[in-house]
Amino acid sequence: EPEVTQTPSHQVTQMGQEVILRCVPISNHLYFYWYRQILGQKVEFLVSFYNNEISEKSEIFDDQFSVERPDGSNFTLKIRSTKLEDSAMYFCASSVSRGYNQPQHFGDGTRLSIL
Amino acid sequence: ILNVEQSPQSLHVQEGDSTNFTCSFPSSNFYALHWYRWETAKSPEALFVMTLNGDEKKKGRISATLNTKEGYSYLYIKGSQPEDSATYLCAFQGGNKLVFGAGTILRVKS
Repeated sequence: EPEVTQTPSHQVTQMGQEVILRCVPISNHLYFYWYRQILGQKVEFLVSFYNNEISEKSEIFDDQFSVERPDGSNFTLKIRSTKLEDSAMYFCASSVSRGYNQPQHFGDGTRLSIL
Repeated sequence: ILNVEQSPQSLHVQEGDSTNFTCSFPSSNFYALHWYRWETAKSPEALFVMTLNGDEKKKGRISATLNTKEGYSYLYIKGSQPEDSATYLCAFQGGNKLVFGAGTILRVKS
């Protein structure tokens, strides 16, 4: 069964450094998402992406964050200057369409640890 | 601020018991309600997407109901098995994004 793949599974970065999290969504999916879960908190939405542009973003997704689909298969989340509070599990998801009866399929996540 | 609540927070049952969990969500601007099953160190697995008031969906021993007027959904597991042990998440869909509850942790003892 097709799945969403994320790399790396764990990323350790010094505060202030840039980090790029990578995702390969399911191949025929058109909508892409990033979510995160800070330890002990709920999974929270960051951004959705369609047709090479952001379709919705949360308050968390400030100027330090950006997303890109550089080559038609990868979908990346960049954090420009990481902060301690960016430590979290980051999940990529994709869906075949925007239809409200369509599930979002999640990857295994990248654990980001900021030192 | 959209708030999705799940109860109970955790549940320990014996193998063979039937169990159910609740998800409460805003009754306005409803698009869909998603249920996920999430095992440790794995990705959340989509169980159901429910869109219509009164919807009932079933997948094996797991079923779910939806009441959009009062803003709740129930997830039922009949005859729990140890492999059902996981965190069960519900998520309210408003627009593109999913707003998640905190989850119900289910542990099934054999």
